[in-house]
Amino acid sequence: QQPVQSPQAVILREGEDAVINCSSSKALYSVHWYRQKHGEAPVFLMILLKGGEQKGHEKISASFNEKKQQSSLYLTASQLSYSGTYFCGTDQPYNQGGKLIFGQGTELSVKP
Amino acid sequence: DGGITQSPKYLFRKEGQNVTLSCEQNLNHDAMYWYRQDPGQGLRLIYYSQIVNDFQKGDIAEGYSVSREKKESFPLTVTSAQKNPTAFYLCASSIGQGANNEQFFGPGTRLTVL
Repeated sequence: QQPVQSPQAVILREGEDAVINCSSSKALYSVHWYRQKHGEAPVFLMILLKGGEQKGHEKISASFNEKKQQSSLYLTASQLSYSGTYFCGTDQPYNQGGKLIFGQGTELSVKP
Repeated sequence: DGGITQSPKYLFRKEGQNVTLSCEQNLNHDAMYWYRQDPGQGLRLIYYSQIVNDFQKGDIAEGYSVSREKKESFPLTVTSAQKNPTAFYLCASSIGQGANNEQFFGPGTRLTVL
């Protein structure tokens, strides 16, 4: 079942922070986060495995709450280059083949 | 440079025709995937392959077919049985099985049925 992302869209000014959530109705083994610019390929941001460890680099980080079956992506001090659509991809325990089920996406616009 | 290539970038097809989308990778990845993207619906898995000469249906395989005769290549055929084929098609690969491997995406092919 497709994970649900919230919000569907968000508009920020440069320097503001944002949180994007990804919730699943099923138990999760891992969560992937990708960013896609309009008309381009999605680009990998990070993977979180069950265990709740928060990962990130620079000003983008994420958490994974296995118990709540959800992940959150944190964008701090946003830059114009952060604009795009963010997707979470979820994997369930005992899933064969590395299949991911992607959320519907969150469109982020950063304005000067 | 290693990466994934998809061709063509734009493709126009008349109703009733089959069309094949190319996907090639030189990353030496075992796993390859085909996704379809429609506005507001995210990425939906069509087919995936973990190894040469083997592939499995994804969530929306009806009207599509694939082959995996070589490790580097995973072409997708959109058949006339696909009722609404106009979409953006993305090919991806990962180093191996297991969802702890990041997926690398190609630039995509935008298919329009006239």
